[in-house]
Amino acid sequence: DTAVSQTPKYLVTQMGNDKSIKCEQNLGHDTMYWYKQDSKKFLKIMFSYNNKELIINETVPNRFSPKSPDKAHLNLHINSLELGDSAVYFCASSQGFFQGGNQPQHFGDGTRLSIL
Amino acid sequence: QKEVEQNSGPLSVPEGAIASLNCTYSDRGSQSFFWYRQYSGKSPELIMFIYSNGDKEDGRFTAQLNKASQYVSLLIRDSQPSDSATYLCAVNTGNQFYFGTGTSLTVIP
Repeated sequence: DTAVSQTPKYLVTQMGNDKSIKCEQNLGHDTMYWYKQDSKKFLKIMFSYNNKELIINETVPNRFSPKSPDKAHLNLHINSLELGDSAVYFCASSQGFFQGGNQPQHFGDGTRLSIL
Repeated sequence: QKEVEQNSGPLSVPEGAIASLNCTYSDRGSQSFFWYRQYSGKSPELIMFIYSNGDKEDGRFTAQLNKASQYVSLLIRDSQPSDSATYLCAVNTGNQFYFGTGTSLTVIP
């Protein structure tokens, strides 16, 4: 059973389009995250939700909008895609929020987004 | 200054040698420290975590933490070609979770 699953694995689309990436975890964790990994392999946090509540919202263009319908799901919608959005997007989950939480994060397989 | 810094490498070691990976962090209040391994085209996977000063061993891996020097390292003993990957250091500051840019390790058979 996949612990953190993302769909789709690959996403190729044109500039200006709107797309969504879905993430689900079956680990019973209460915190979920979206990360962006660029071509230089730098992994940067974008958002974090704890029990459906947004707790981290890094400096990310407002074209990116996360949605958490329940604590097992965290989706990412991107409007008006730009060339610079090309990257691998990873979903992750952990048990417990950061403060006092020493639990590691478990990652999905990533979604490779390519903008033409 | 970046919150977490790693030497990007590449680091090459012969099979059977000890590979030493280093990481420094800027937030003195950081609470917990993680090492992830990422194979090319794959997702990061947790190798070890450490919270207290000193060494922590798990099989061929040893994590070392020195909070006074704001330094954490990962030693891989008896390196194998399958250890060839990028190793990411991650730090939990209590308010945020930061990753380093990773060190690329190649173990030469």
